[in-house]
Amino acid sequence: QKEVEQDPGPLSVPEGAIVSLNCTYSNSAFQYFMWYRQYSRKGPELLMYTYSSGNKEDGRFTAQVDKSSKYISLFIRDSQPSDSATYLCAMSAGDNQGGKLIFGQGTELSVKP
Amino acid sequence: GAVVSQHPSWVICKSGTSVKIECRSLDFQATTMFWYRQFPKQSLMLMATSNEGSKATYEQGVEKDKFLINHASLTLSTLTVTSAHPEDSSFYICSARKWNSMNTEAFFGQGTRLTVV
Repeated sequence: QKEVEQDPGPLSVPEGAIVSLNCTYSNSAFQYFMWYRQYSRKGPELLMYTYSSGNKEDGRFTAQVDKSSKYISLFIRDSQPSDSATYLCAMSAGDNQGGKLIFGQGTELSVKP
Repeated sequence: GAVVSQHPSWVICKSGTSVKIECRSLDFQATTMFWYRQFPKQSLMLMATSNEGSKATYEQGVEKDKFLINHASLTLSTLTVTSAHPEDSSFYICSARKWNSMNTEAFFGQGTRLTVV
């Protein structure tokens, strides 16, 4: 079993839709949770960063972490064609495990005009 | 901001030669830099973790002698692929963690696409 599981998609939605992206994990030591957006042939760009459980909102993006269920989500409201990219969740236990980030496989999202 | 610059963005080399990839943190000091490898439509696979002034820590299955990592300063880490072969063709990405960061927030370079012919 992988430490982090993420549905690779592809996921296709119409413009304006609400997008829900999810990851599950097995390592209870994870405390830091991130979402990255990666366009084709580019490096990942940090979108959201959350420590421990709870919600965090930034513009059209909302990140949720439920440590009891080992489940994290990223919601994108009013999705735009420019949101079309691969979204990667990443997690870390912090310095206890060398600060390493463990990535999900990534979900390919396509927002159609 | 937190900008990480990776160079070159792409490189083509002949089999048997060596290639060096640079990763620089432009506006912050990085205690730790990470090197990843990514195959098409797959996630990032951590290759090694490098801390400034010390030897890199390699992940299981990554050949230390083939992928040489040097982290000589708080703003520069290099990855050298030695005696490259076609199976080393991949997308290599570095990330940098801020100095004295109380969290594991990491910022990525734009990646280097290596093609070995």
